[in-house]
Amino acid sequence: QSVLTQPPSVSAAPGQKVTISCSGSSSNIGNHYVSWYQQLPGTAPKLLIYDNNKRPSGIPDRFSGSKSGTSATLGITGLQTGDEADYYCGTWDSSLSAGVFGGGTKLTVL
Amino acid sequence: EVQLVESGGGLVKPGGSLRLSCAASGFTFSSYSMNWVRQAPGKGLEWVSSTSSSSDYIYYADSVKGRFTISRDNAKNSLYLQMNSLRAEDTAVYYCARDGGSSHYGDWGQGTLVTVSS
Repeated sequence: QSVLTQPPSVSAAPGQKVTISCSGSSSNIGNHYVSWYQQLPGTAPKLLIYDNNKRPSGIPDRFSGSKSGTSATLGITGLQTGDEADYYCGTWDSSLSAGVFGGGTKLTVL
Repeated sequence: EVQLVESGGGLVKPGGSLRLSCAASGFTFSSYSMNWVRQAPGKGLEWVSSTSSSSDYIYYADSVKGRFTISRDNAKNSLYLQMNSLRAEDTAVYYCARDGGSSHYGDWGQGTLVTVSS
């Protein structure tokens, strides 16, 4: 059971938009920055969003992040088949004094 | 270019020990906090441990506390994870990850597989 809650799967058609939610509590998302990671099959995770809504260089603006209270959302527009991957949210939990991740969301581009 | 290369994984019996290493290059290693993150087969990401740049602050997941020890050698640009009393549930790919600040992991190694089985 992950500390952060994500939907197991989402799907949408190519060119459409999808959002992935990440729910936590005041000890984690509520008081810490959220980051998002993309993991393509058989590869290491890759940072997509940090500090709630910032994109590292090289990440297209089709990817966006937001946070409100104890929840965060990853948005992906103009979906491509290459976006099919597992997506994870992450943050710090001050009650646990530990890093925490969501359980992951599998994105299918139909 | 940032490079993180893990090594030391392999097959070990329950109760055994293993030491993982992560060789870092392409950045000033001594300036960054570092982390270990693992992923069991077919499962999600699990944060394992982190160390600050000078090892002043070290944290562990409850699942490994008392069995795993994180350490670093800034002179050798290397991060380590000493794993003792290994259990079947420790079977996973272990990733070394550079902390980008605010507890996000900006760079990852390719991972090393640890299998705990008799």
